[in-house]
Amino acid sequence: NAGVTQTPKFQVLKTGQSMTLQCAQDMNHEYMSWYRQDPGMGLRLIHYSVGAGITDQGEVPNGYNVSRSTTEDFPLRLLSAAPSQTSVYFCASSRDFRNTEAFFGQGTRLTVV
Amino acid sequence: DQQVKQNSPSLSVQEGRISILNCDYTNSMFDYFLWYKKYPAEGPTFLISISSIKDKNEDGRFTVFLNKSAKHLSLHIVPSQPGDSAVYFCAASATGGGSNYKLTFGKGTLLTVNP
Repeated sequence: NAGVTQTPKFQVLKTGQSMTLQCAQDMNHEYMSWYRQDPGMGLRLIHYSVGAGITDQGEVPNGYNVSRSTTEDFPLRLLSAAPSQTSVYFCASSRDFRNTEAFFGQGTRLTVV
Repeated sequence: DQQVKQNSPSLSVQEGRISILNCDYTNSMFDYFLWYKKYPAEGPTFLISISSIKDKNEDGRFTVFLNKSAKHLSLHIVPSQPGDSAVYFCAASATGGGSNYKLTFGKGTLLTVNP
């Protein structure tokens, strides 16, 4: 049981490049979400999904795109990377909307130069 | 506007003593509260939660207290152990009003437990 798997763990991008952060869970959870964590800040919600085919914006969605074609996968796309997107990104999944016992991946540390 | 506030960036306690981490919130719609623990280079892990219909929830060494009138909750760790050293995040969620499925996090408190 792998839980929530994020890839890659580290990434350096040049300004303007695009990339996809991968997130997969094997717990058959309906609810998945993406957060970013910046120094001195808590985790801020980027996008979330309540099931395959259903996504919605969180607190800081600009510059990011998501889709949910399967229950297992919830990729996060950076359309045109900017230095302000330098952050640590966490994917999470949970079985209920309260995010009780939400399981987080180990994070992706992204640097945009 | 920060809806969940952890005003102490750090806390240092001696092993065996009590650790008390505090959290304040401003959104009266919040009705479910959670604490997460995070070690460096790892994702947060769920610790304990409390519904607004309760004022206390206990799980082993961890107890969360909720004071709805003061919009305040606290996490007590007794006794504290060196392995408890981590960043602790307070989080809250609300039912309805488009707030379902969203967790709002505080900035975190770094707890250091000294042997």
